[in-house]
Amino acid sequence: DIEMTQFPSSVSASVGDKVTITCRASLGIGTDLVWYQKKPGKAPKLLIYAASNLQSGVPLRFSGSGSGTDFTLTISSLQPEDFATYFCQQANSFPLTFGPGTTVDI
Amino acid sequence: EVQVLESGGDLVQPGGSLRLSCVASGLNFAGYAMTWVRQAPGKGLEWVSFIRGDGVNTYYAHSVRGRFTISRDNSRNTMYLQMNSLRAEDTAIYYCAKDPFYGLEAFDVWGPGTKVTVSS
Repeated sequence: DIEMTQFPSSVSASVGDKVTITCRASLGIGTDLVWYQKKPGKAPKLLIYAASNLQSGVPLRFSGSGSGTDFTLTISSLQPEDFATYFCQQANSFPLTFGPGTTVDI
Repeated sequence: EVQVLESGGDLVQPGGSLRLSCVASGLNFAGYAMTWVRQAPGKGLEWVSFIRGDGVNTYYAHSVRGRFTISRDNSRNTMYLQMNSLRAEDTAIYYCAKDPFYGLEAFDVWGPGTKVTVSS
């Protein structure tokens, strides 16, 4: 199975900050990487697919990059609604696996 | 608008069974793969199971294989998760989600979730 790790596990930031979250796969997965945003009591929201493709309707301040084993999610200018937990997910092979999450808080 | 809605969550005793349903609307249901993902209290997201649009190919997490069965009835726009031999560690919010067919297993439309509690 492909194990996903994320760091940092949490980050404290302010509105307007640039935030970068890293996700690492235990095996090379090409660009088969997906990012979600999760808020308490809400369903996950798809942000980025295939490592760098922005999902329709997602603000342009979100971007993704990487390939192989190392990936990043960047929020260029943090907005109040971005305080949430972010999960990466590998889509390369079953069983699908999520990273442990990175919480972005104030 | 494409929507999915889960139901069937409940309080069940260890060793018991439960069947979750996920009804989809606003799409050609048979054309899309679907998945179940869960989140235990205070934990991260855990992928549970996945089913192709025709229902032929199914996949499971190691933690549920042999106990859970995913299925779908395309005539009813509904996906199911039959959960047997439930354990305390199966306690979670269970989400169903749709695969938009981007060429990889990403999930773009999610339901609000249904709560499963396994406890005596």
